[in-house]
Amino acid sequence: EAQVTQNPRYLITVTGKKLTVTCSQNMNHEYMSWYRQDPGLGLRQIYYSMNVEVTDKGDVPEGYKVSRKEKRNFPLILESPSPNQTSLYFCASSSLAGVESTDTQYFGPGTRLTVL
Amino acid sequence: DQQVKQNSPSLSVQEGRISILNCDYTNSMFDYFLWYKKYPAEGPTFLISISSIKDKNEDGRFTVFLNKSAKHLSLHIVPSQPGDSAVYFCAASARGGAQKLVFGQGTRLTINP
Repeated sequence: EAQVTQNPRYLITVTGKKLTVTCSQNMNHEYMSWYRQDPGLGLRQIYYSMNVEVTDKGDVPEGYKVSRKEKRNFPLILESPSPNQTSLYFCASSSLAGVESTDTQYFGPGTRLTVL
Repeated sequence: DQQVKQNSPSLSVQEGRISILNCDYTNSMFDYFLWYKKYPAEGPTFLISISSIKDKNEDGRFTVFLNKSAKHLSLHIVPSQPGDSAVYFCAASARGGAQKLVFGQGTRLTINP
């Protein structure tokens, strides 16, 4: 089954304690991305990757890091989490060989992060 | 600077009637538009898309209309069903594909029996 998986699904942590949210896709997609969803703001892109070892900042990259050492994995790293990073996080992936009317990003189930 | 806007946070429609969700954008470079549907505790799932060379795309009960001059798109659901109750996000891309998407704030649609 084609899917994007994220772990953990729920996480409560304290300010300053480094954490990693993992993301993995089994569709051999080149493109992967991280979003955060906040009330009234929709989904905002944090970082994205066009392929292995190619990453770039999205619209809200401050306080986050990513890496893309393998095609299937795209972990999100919070080196020193702060309360304003409390949010719902989604990982997504997409093929770069998109076909009109079917090209889309596939989303993981989300990770709800609370930073105290 | 919100480049993609969904000005209605919520919409309530009676079962069997038409649901119309609206989305406006400001960036004239956007050339590919998508609608996603999101249930609680799940990730968004793709619903329907349209490229800027078209003004309408239809898939079963779902139709997306694009008005490039007004920088406006809408999603029509006919007839509306209880299972359509969800949050709907519109998204836009300037790459001609589904990469580097910019999302709207979302509209919560409730279908009443």
